[in-house]
Order: sequence, then structure tokens, then C-alpha cells
Amino acid sequence: AQTVTQSQPEMSVQEAETVTLSCTYDTSESDYYLFWYKQPPSRQMILVIRQEAYKQQNATENRFSVNFQKAAKSFSLKISDSQLGDAAMYFCACIQGAQKLVFGQGTRLTINP
Amino acid sequence: DTEVTQTPKHLVMGMTNKKSLKCEQHMGHRAMYWYKQKAKKPPELMFVYSYEKLSINESVPSRFSPECPNSSLLNLHLHALQPEDSALYLCASSQDGGLAGDEQFFGPGTRLTVL
Repeated sequence: AQTVTQSQPEMSVQEAETVTLSCTYDTSESDYYLFWYKQPPSRQMILVIRQEAYKQQNATENRFSVNFQKAAKSFSLKISDSQLGDAAMYFCACIQGAQKLVFGQGTRLTINP
Repeated sequence: DTEVTQTPKHLVMGMTNKKSLKCEQHMGHRAMYWYKQKAKKPPELMFVYSYEKLSINESVPSRFSPECPNSSLLNLHLHALQPEDSALYLCASSQDGGLAGDEQFFGPGTRLTVL
């Protein structure tokens, strides 16, 4: 069974600054995918970024990038130039098999103006 | 259309009631999911339908009964629920349930309260 751990229940950052959210995972599968999802208050969960485990290059999506350390089973999310709209619950997730997303407990990110 | 819609947005029901949650997508996705999310917790997978067939049931109590009438529609029938079943019920879809890297698109959820 896969497990995903987010050790930071809450984080805060000043607007325009950079913040890093931590995630570690455990899986016995050799090929897998990792995700960061964002759930704003009372709004839909959306995919922020996705990483394929067999790719060594870290994924990036505009202001969002990951630091994927496969040997350490670490998958952190860096948000650059934080904006007020980035305030949300962020969930790290790993796919088990083809369909089962296993989520971490989440990190609530607050952006201070 | 890149949207997953869910109705109703809110539902209050008694323990003896029968109600249904509805989820719809028109993205041509062939996999659809039901998740349960308690307050301040991550979503937990309940059911997965792939090509209109139930492919995963995460040992969910029989008072929850999923149904996939066609590739665009997913229902969750509720009967004799308990107060601890109160939660946000999320629907999601993905293009092809057989591909591990598929993005899951989530709906806004139905907030269910069981009295």
C-alpha cells in the first residue's frame, strides 16, 4: 500500500515571496506518478503539477515547480512569487495502480498581503 | 467543456431517507470516481467506474450504492445513512481509467448532512 505524508499542516508566506511545501511518499511500485492538487476554500480541487517517476527532470508549471528526489521519496512543491489566489489547501498525491489516488493530509497555505 | 458538475450542492437528509447524488461530465472521459471528504481531511476514494463498469469498490458500506447509467453520468444512491456519513462528496473523471498518469478532474462536490 502507498502512503503519502505532508508534515506541515499549515504554512504562511508573504505575497510575492517563495514558499516550499513538503511531501514524502512510500510506494513499492517501480513506475508511478506524483501530483500536487490545490483545493481553494469552497472551490473545486484542481491539478497544480504532475511528475512521472521515471523522468529525472523536475516538472514546472509557470510559478509552480517540484523538487523530486526519487531515492529519498521526496516530492516538494515550490511556489514562486506567491499571489493571494494561491491561498488554498494543497494535497500531495500518489497514484496506486491506474486509478487510485492516495492523498497526503494536506497543507493549508495562507498568503499574507 | 472541461467541467465536472454535481447536483445538488447541498443536501440534508434524515437517517431513513433515500436520496441520490448526481455527477455529470461531457469531456468524453471513460473513468469516473466518487470520493468522500471529511472536514480538514483529504479525499478518500469510494468507487471507480471504468468504461461504465465498476472497477474499484473500497469496501464502502452497502448504504452507498453507485450507478453509472452511461459514460457521462454517475450517480450515488444513499439509503439509511448515519450521521457520521456527513461529508463533502466529490466526483471526478479522467480520460482513460487505464492510464496511470491521467489527471483527475474534480467537481465542486455535494455537501451532505445526515440528521
